[in-house]
Amino acid sequence: DSGVTQTPKHLITATGQRVTLRCSPRSGDLSVYWYQQSLDQGLQFLIQYYNGEERAKGNILERFSAQQFPDLHSELNLSSLELGDSALYFCASSSEASGPQETQYFGPGTRLLVL
Amino acid sequence: LAKTTQPISMDSYEGQEVNITCSHNNIATNDYITWYQQFPSQGPRFIIQGYKTKVTNEVASLFIPADRKSSTLSLPRVSLSDTAVYYCLVGEGSGGSYIPTFGRGTSLIVHP
Repeated sequence: DSGVTQTPKHLITATGQRVTLRCSPRSGDLSVYWYQQSLDQGLQFLIQYYNGEERAKGNILERFSAQQFPDLHSELNLSSLELGDSALYFCASSSEASGPQETQYFGPGTRLLVL
Repeated sequence: LAKTTQPISMDSYEGQEVNITCSHNNIATNDYITWYQQFPSQGPRFIIQGYKTKVTNEVASLFIPADRKSSTLSLPRVSLSDTAVYYCLVGEGSGGSYIPTFGRGTSLIVHP
């Protein structure tokens, strides 16, 4: 158990809909990372927040957005969903702001299926 | 930007030592090399990290040559439970922020 929690575990929805994925980092961690993992794209970094502020942005679509709240939990919002958005979404946390030496602790993931 | 290249897959047998090499020709001066392990439908898990020379922990060893253009993860005496995907991660700095870039990983299958 990494100490990172994600809800829900599974999510089934239809194209065009909007969903919210939630992540709670490890106690004391200030950084939250979001990743998307699909069969054809591998593990793709989406976005990072540190202590409530956006820190780094990867290949995140404009239809996707995220935020980190004062209690440090984070939410990833996916809107106008398409079939291709079906994937595993992982959240990870680390203690510091950024840096390649930071160890990330991953949650169990949310499996999203868009029908 | 640093980019990693790993073998797509490897096969081994229980009790053998497995070495997985990652190439990162454009590694930057401040980049660390980190390896993660991922089981199906689970989040990746940190294995080991290094900057140069050799690092060893209770799970694996990491060998990094002087030019740091590659690294080798060594798993001693693998068991069936080591069957997983292994990712080599090298930091990418972009305007002061860090873009963690996972490659496609190496799928290791350990046979009885």
